[in-house]
Amino acid sequence: GAGVSQSPRYKVAKRGQDVALRCDPISGHVSLFWYQQALGQGPEFLTYFQNEAQLDKSGLPSDRFFAERPEGSVSTLKIQRTQQEDSAVYLCASSPLTSTYEQYFGPGTRLTVT
Amino acid sequence: EDQVTQSPEALRLQEGESSSLNCSYTVSGLRGLFWYRQDPGKGPEFLFTLYSAGEEKEKERLKATLTKKESFLHITAPKPEDSATYLCAVQAGSSNTGKLIFGQGTTLQVKP
Repeated sequence: GAGVSQSPRYKVAKRGQDVALRCDPISGHVSLFWYQQALGQGPEFLTYFQNEAQLDKSGLPSDRFFAERPEGSVSTLKIQRTQQEDSAVYLCASSPLTSTYEQYFGPGTRLTVT
Repeated sequence: EDQVTQSPEALRLQEGESSSLNCSYTVSGLRGLFWYRQDPGKGPEFLFTLYSAGEEKEKERLKATLTKKESFLHITAPKPEDSATYLCAVQAGSSNTGKLIFGQGTTLQVKP
């Protein structure tokens, strides 16, 4: 079946621009996660949704970062007034259940802020 | 603070030369330990989940083991197609969301 998809795959933004990154999870998956991966590092947790409810946003680095999942399926990660330090790969993952269960990752969106 | 450390950072092997990757963790109540494989330009691909000390899982040339402080990913007779970055991650008991805490990864290169 179809896996997690993300779009765009690559995004170049000028400093100060707003960007929106989309995630289509595996159909029927309850849990959705966003992670940020810097070059040469492991992914770092940003935020978690259970259906449409955002239950954990403790990893969002600043109030410029905002995520939503209004209908419990597709999710959007929005970054306002992008800064150079926002350059990274943004990964989305989904899981069929809550709690302990493996997460399935999308290919990521590589964001470059110039 | 929950933490995951992987070693070595990079590993070069000849085809057929077996070795092990290490993942050390400190976590407040381990709920699960995960191994992922990541190829360049792609998202992490799930390999294994381990839940308790003494548990082992195998898949082709890979075998993952777990103790109370660390996990090992053993690679037997590797092939060039095993070249990738291997990521270890934990789910802590203190989290009720299932978020993963990753190590920095071990980049494996297998030469023919």
